[in-house]
Amino acid sequence: KNEVEQSPQNLTAQEGEFITINCSYSVGISALHWLQQHPGGGIVSLFMLSSGKKKHGRLIATINIQEKHSSLHITASHPRDSAVYICAVRATTGTYKYIFGTGTRLKVLA
Amino acid sequence: NAGVTQTPKFRVLKTGQSMTLLCAQDMNHEYMYWYRQDPGMGLRLIHYSVGEGTTAKGEVPDGYNVSRLKKQNFLLGLESAAPSQTSVYFCASSRSTLRETQYFGPGTRLLVL
Repeated sequence: KNEVEQSPQNLTAQEGEFITINCSYSVGISALHWLQQHPGGGIVSLFMLSSGKKKHGRLIATINIQEKHSSLHITASHPRDSAVYICAVRATTGTYKYIFGTGTRLKVLA
Repeated sequence: NAGVTQTPKFRVLKTGQSMTLLCAQDMNHEYMYWYRQDPGMGLRLIHYSVGEGTTAKGEVPDGYNVSRLKKQNFLLGLESAAPSQTSVYFCASSRSTLRETQYFGPGTRLLVL
């Protein structure tokens, strides 16, 4: 079982829909990151969370430390949101380690 | 302000050849990382550096070497390339490690025949 799991793996939505991507992890963490990987391959950091909720534009990220779960929400989705969204955690145990999920591939149709 | 840059963008090697991937950052970051990304797997850390002159092994270091002679540069070397090293390589940097945002380069696509 992977230490960081994302769901769904693939997601197709119509423009304007509300989208939720989930991330569950099984290790102790000091921070959780949401990243966006564009179709061209570039990776951009969207959020870093250690508790609560953060909002940036149409993107909202939440984390529940007790349940070891985070969600990334996209409101009023747009075709330009089409990308792979990656969850990554900074584990607190063992040697330095960032653990990445395998990503959720999102396609938003016009 | 270019952020994190990587050269080359794409390379084809034959088995046994060597090459060096260069990562450069202009943000004065202390920490730098090399990752590989393979289909169906999350990014995996190859090596990292917490400052000029320091390097450390990550999750998948075998077959790679690194050097950080200057703070702004982090080099990843393949001494004898193998087909299993076909991958997309990403460099990243951050101010510190514990909870800081990582800034990624555009990636290098490597094909080993």
